[in-house]
Amino acid sequence: LAKTTQPISMDSYEGQEVNITCSHNNIATNDYITWYQQFPSQGPRFIIQGYKTKVTNEVASLFIPADRKSSTLSLPRVSLSDTAVYYCLVTNTNAGKSTFGDGTTLTVKP
Amino acid sequence: DAEITQSPRHKITETGRQVTLACHQTWNHNNMFWYRQDLGHGLRLIHYSYGVQDTNKGEVSDGYSVSRSNTEDLPLTLESAASSQTSVYFCASSESLAGGGEQFFGPGTRLTVL
Repeated sequence: LAKTTQPISMDSYEGQEVNITCSHNNIATNDYITWYQQFPSQGPRFIIQGYKTKVTNEVASLFIPADRKSSTLSLPRVSLSDTAVYYCLVTNTNAGKSTFGDGTTLTVKP
Repeated sequence: DAEITQSPRHKITETGRQVTLACHQTWNHNNMFWYRQDLGHGLRLIHYSYGVQDTNKGEVSDGYSVSRSNTEDLPLTLESAASSQTSVYFCASSESLAGGGEQFFGPGTRLTVL
């Protein structure tokens, strides 16, 4: 599975839009990009998954350019409760296993 | 409601002892996974299973074993606990392999090996 690289940490303020970019230069044809959120002392929680272009759900959007070597998770109008670690994963359609990196710690300030 | 549970939530043991961590899911998912998370780091895959009687090694499987005798359970055994295995252990399950499949995680077990 392709290795991912994402910023170690980011700070934001309540009400702002936050964009977290992840690079995955060696992504394969059958790979998807998946994002998880983890709060302290809890297991990760699925946020969004995509293959190409743009995917949007009730909590986030995922932008994937045509070459798929990077992706951007967009969180609209963050609140203090969005403070968490966000993981970008490359997941293979032929195998359920995933590789987590160290994630991006997002801190939302009042 | 369907869920995934882990027990115990906290465990303290001594070096050399055998320890078994339980994972139980009621979604009837075929796919189950065990991860460990060391302080300040991401999750690393220990073992995974795609169905009954199927088990596979992940990236950090040395010193761990799993067995899958039914759909609901995937217990993780530390054969001879070592201090390096002090960590938080998460179990997860998923229904589909498509796109890697959305994984549902348990609450975790904090294991301390003295």
